[in-house]
Amino acid sequence: EVQLVESGGGLVQPGRSLRLSCAASGFTFDDSAMHWVRQAPGKGLEWVSGLSWNSGSIGYADSVKGRFTISRDNAKNSLYLQMNSLRPEDTALYYCAKDKGIVATFIDYWGQGTLVTVSS
Amino acid sequence: EIVLTQSPGTLSLSPGERATLSCRASQSVSSNYLAWYQQKPGQAPRLLIYGASSRATGIPDRFSGSGSGTDFTLTISRLEPEDFAVYYCQQYGSSPKLTFGGGTKVEIK
Repeated sequence: EVQLVESGGGLVQPGRSLRLSCAASGFTFDDSAMHWVRQAPGKGLEWVSGLSWNSGSIGYADSVKGRFTISRDNAKNSLYLQMNSLRPEDTALYYCAKDKGIVATFIDYWGQGTLVTVSS
Repeated sequence: EIVLTQSPGTLSLSPGERATLSCRASQSVSSNYLAWYQQKPGQAPRLLIYGASSRATGIPDRFSGSGSGTDFTLTISRLEPEDFAVYYCQQYGSSPKLTFGGGTKVEIK
């Protein structure tokens, strides 16, 4: 059974940093591209960042480019999102998501999300 | 960058009725690389359709996807009580980026 378990969310002040982690199991981690997708309260889905199976292809939404860094450790079956210079508009539920392909295609499994709240 | 526009924003229907949801792209979606997801309150999204018309594993056949180019449709042939939810389309093929539409809420009339 595929499992994606996010951690690292919480309440943080504007301008501070936070690092999200996602522990993956139940599939061959380095056979899949991975993504972070967020959902602000009461809003729709927003793709944040994604990377290919070997980290050779990495992308960011314009809203987070230059502030967030995605990475993966295939030896540890883990995905990360380093979030710097956080803003109130980054407040959202952050989902770790598994791609069907080795590069970005569509998402076949989602975690349950970790909540990030940016507020003073 | 492709922008996806979903319509209507909200669809009010009764169980047993047919639901037709639209997803329009600002430019042609290569190779019909379009997916649909369902999201219920308090839950993560669930993959319904990929490749514009292929059902994901375990998805009932009352869900169908169609379309090509810039116009895509998700059809639910007969709404069941558990189908009332928010539906999102998503385009791929612009690796490494994904793009989601704004969503359509299907609510009970």
